[in-house]
Amino acid sequence: EIVLTQSPGTLSLSPGERATLSCRASQSVSSTYLAWYQQKPGQAHRLLIYGASNRATGIPDRFSGSGSGTDFTLTIARLEPEDFAVYYCQQYGSSPQTFGQGTKVDIK
Amino acid sequence: QVQLQESGPGLVKPSGTLSLTCVVSGDSISSSNWWSWIRQPPGKGLEWIGEIYHSGSTNYNPSLKSRVTISLDKSKNHFSLKLSSVTAADTAVYFCARRGYSYGYCFDNWGQGTLVTVSS
Repeated sequence: EIVLTQSPGTLSLSPGERATLSCRASQSVSSTYLAWYQQKPGQAHRLLIYGASNRATGIPDRFSGSGSGTDFTLTIARLEPEDFAVYYCQQYGSSPQTFGQGTKVDIK
Repeated sequence: QVQLQESGPGLVKPSGTLSLTCVVSGDSISSSNWWSWIRQPPGKGLEWIGEIYHSGSTNYNPSLKSRVTISLDKSKNHFSLKLSSVTAADTAVYFCARRGYSYGYCFDNWGQGTLVTVSS
């Protein structure tokens, strides 16, 4: 199975700063099948990015995804207070579908 | 607006069977989407368990395949998970989710999750 490794484990930033989250795969992932999710306590996971770089409906344009092959990035251009959460990458092109272990973005 | 809600016992005895149901609203189980179960043990990452299509076709994670059954009930618009021979390692928050065709079949809608503890 494809192992996804996210870094860093925790990112401590201030509102207004730029966040760069990394997701590295143990083998090549088709860009078509790489997604990013946001999880907040007590809330359902929210799809942010699909197909590596496509924003889901209603996702602000401060969120962007990029990458190909084994290296993918989620960038939050300017952190808003509601963006402090845990973020997961996921590949869904190869079975079993797998997730990264998550990056927590917390307030510095 | 699509909503998914998990329900089931929060405590299961070792060697028993874990049974959960996910009720879907705002979409039909018979739509062109896959209906999935995912879990997250305390302090660990997300693990995909398996999924079902309205035709009854299923896919399971090989690591759990021998113990997992996913089924659906179109009349009640819900789908279910059974995990047999559970141990403490199966203690986790269990999520149901829709893998939707609109977004290339990633998980576009999730339930909030339900904690299942395996303990005597």
